[in-house]
Amino acid sequence: GAVVSQHPSWVICKSGTSVKIECRSLDFQATTMFWYRQFPKQSLMLMATSNEGSKATYEQGVEKDKFLINHASLTLSTLTVTSAHPEDSSFYICSARPWRTYNEQFFGPGTRLTVL
Amino acid sequence: AQSVSQHNHHVILSEAASLELGCNYSYGGTVNLFWYVQYPGQHLQLLLKYFSGDPLVKGIKGFEAEFIKSKFSFNLRKPSVQWSDTAEYFCAVTREYGNKLVFGAGTILRVKS
Repeated sequence: GAVVSQHPSWVICKSGTSVKIECRSLDFQATTMFWYRQFPKQSLMLMATSNEGSKATYEQGVEKDKFLINHASLTLSTLTVTSAHPEDSSFYICSARPWRTYNEQFFGPGTRLTVL
Repeated sequence: AQSVSQHNHHVILSEAASLELGCNYSYGGTVNLFWYVQYPGQHLQLLLKYFSGDPLVKGIKGFEAEFIKSKFSFNLRKPSVQWSDTAEYFCAVTREYGNKLVFGAGTILRVKS
């Protein structure tokens, strides 16, 4: 149980294009999902917290107009990187917190984004 | 701001050696503590967690961790490592009932067979 999937697992795009990454909780409902970014040889940095049916809460320094988050259902959150540039190349990981739990998160496998 | 420190970025051990990975956090209130593992090419998996109660926590695959409140530490241990334990290990902390998981920088463990 508690499986989280991400799609796509990797994507290569041209500079200036937008890329959408999906995060799904497959066997549980998640009122809260989280988006992280992991730079090479560094830890995960929380980008934003996404609550179903409401606006995402972004961490300091994260551009909300660049990283659009939508959490339209209890099992799906999407992250859209708008007008991507090479510096947006990174590993993006989502996690989902099951309904009625406070502190446990289950992680997706991540999406490798490369912007040319 | 809350922070998590992992003392070693790279650790190399031979099989059957004992392992201890250090983790210290800076937050002074009640915390929940986690160790995650990321095997090569795989996603983060929970090894063990501490919310309350017995400060010695046992996790999967023979791992355990001890919460020492006075030292703000949550060190990960395993008495005898195996080649399959080669992975990156992350310590993470969240405030009680809090949303935000704060991760340490990670420790890459390589076990030589």
